[in-house]
Amino acid sequence: TQLLEQSPQFLSIQEGENLTVYCNSSSVFSSLQWYRQEPGEGPVLLVTVVTGGEVKKLKRLTFQFGDARKDSSLHITAAQPGDTGLYLCAGVGETSGSRLTFGEGTQLTVNP
Amino acid sequence: DAGVTQSPTHLIKTRGQQVTLRCSPKSGHDTVSWYQQALGQGPQFIFQYYEEEERQRGNFPDRFSGHQFPNYSSELNVNALLLGDSALYLCASSLCEVAGSSYNEQFFGPGTRLTVL
Repeated sequence: TQLLEQSPQFLSIQEGENLTVYCNSSSVFSSLQWYRQEPGEGPVLLVTVVTGGEVKKLKRLTFQFGDARKDSSLHITAAQPGDTGLYLCAGVGETSGSRLTFGEGTQLTVNP
Repeated sequence: DAGVTQSPTHLIKTRGQQVTLRCSPKSGHDTVSWYQQALGQGPQFIFQYYEEEERQRGNFPDRFSGHQFPNYSSELNVNALLLGDSALYLCASSLCEVAGSSYNEQFFGPGTRLTVL
């Protein structure tokens, strides 16, 4: 069974601060996706990383896929209240077809 | 371009009843996956449908069943509801993997909030 561990589980910071969310596993993933979810809504895809060591930037968000494709991180620079939400990482295993294995999520609150 | 749609938005049932949830995939997508998300947790994979057949299944009992129609829309059925089935049920659509590709992007609908009393 593939597991994805996300940390921290909860994060409350002030506007303007930087933060990093981690997603770790002992398994190798073919690709890894990051989602953001608002209360009562479905997850919205932010980015997909495929290549080990890959770095992708989306405005103030930087996503990195580990060299061994077992871990990933999400870094937010100068967080804003609009960044508040549940951030989920989800991996596609090398032998699990196209099913997504999700982490437990990181609930981010950015206070004005 | 319509995204993934799900119905109903909310549903309240009692223990032992049966429920059917519906999903229409994003335009151009042919694969539908269903996930269960309990409060405060990440989504858990239930099963995936492609070409009107169940292609993959997660660790869920047979009370959970599904169907995919020729227009790629899908239904999730849950029989003999338990209190523990209360959750947000998410449908995600994607395009069948290209041979040799490890790329898989799934787009989620807004979910159906099921409450079992």
